[in-house]
Amino acid sequence: EPEVTQTPSHQVTQMGQEVILRCVPISNHLYFYWYRQILGQKVEFLVSFYNNEISEKSEIFDDQFSVERPDGSNFTLKIRSTKLEDSAMYFCASNEMAGNYGYTFGSGTRLTVV
Amino acid sequence: KNEVEQSPQNLTAQEGEFITINCSYSVGISALHWLQQHPGGGIVSLFMLSSGKKKHGRLIATINIQEKHSSLHITASHPRDSAVYICAVRIQGAQKLVFGQGTRLTINP
Repeated sequence: EPEVTQTPSHQVTQMGQEVILRCVPISNHLYFYWYRQILGQKVEFLVSFYNNEISEKSEIFDDQFSVERPDGSNFTLKIRSTKLEDSAMYFCASNEMAGNYGYTFGSGTRLTVV
Repeated sequence: KNEVEQSPQNLTAQEGEFITINCSYSVGISALHWLQQHPGGGIVSLFMLSSGKKKHGRLIATINIQEKHSSLHITASHPRDSAVYICAVRIQGAQKLVFGQGTRLTINP
C-alpha cells in the first residue's frame, strides 16, 4: 500500500537553529498538509498546500514557518528559528483530490528543541 | 470550546468486550474521520464518513449528521486494539482536519 514517508524520524536541535522536516507524499496525491502534536495534546493543523502554493494555514503557522515542494516529490516544512515550544511530533499528510477523500499520514518526525 | 469532543478520554476493558467511543462536533462538516494512533505515534486512517455506517472487520463507524454525533464500535476486542482512537472532522469549505483529543483504549487479556 502506498505510504507517506517522513524523515528524519527524530531530530534534536538547539534553540534558535533552523530545521527542515521532509516528507515524500504519495505520488498521485495533489493536496499536502502539515500537522503537529505537542506531547499530551491533540493534533493541530498547520498548513495545507496545493498547486505549489499554500491553500490554508493556521494561526500557529507564522513567519517562522515555511513550506515548499522543491522538486515535485519532496514536501518540506522549515522552521527558521526554533523555540522550545516547537518541540512536538510533526505529521505530514496527503490526499488525492479536493472533496471527501481519505488522508494518508506519515509516521511523523519527533522534533526536540533544547 | 472544542469543536470536536470525544468520550470517554480513557477506556479500559477486558478482551472480548464490545467497545464504543463517541464523538460530538459543533461545526458544519463535510466528512468525519476515525483515526488510530499507536504508541510509536504514527496515525492510521480507519474510516471516513459523511453519512450512515461503515464496517471494516471488527470495526464499525456510524454518524448522525442531524445530531452531530459519531460512534466507533469495536466488536470482540483484542489487546492489539489498544491504541488512541481519534475523531477528526473536515469543516465545510475547508481542506484541513480538526481533531478531537483522542480516546486511549486499553484492552487487557
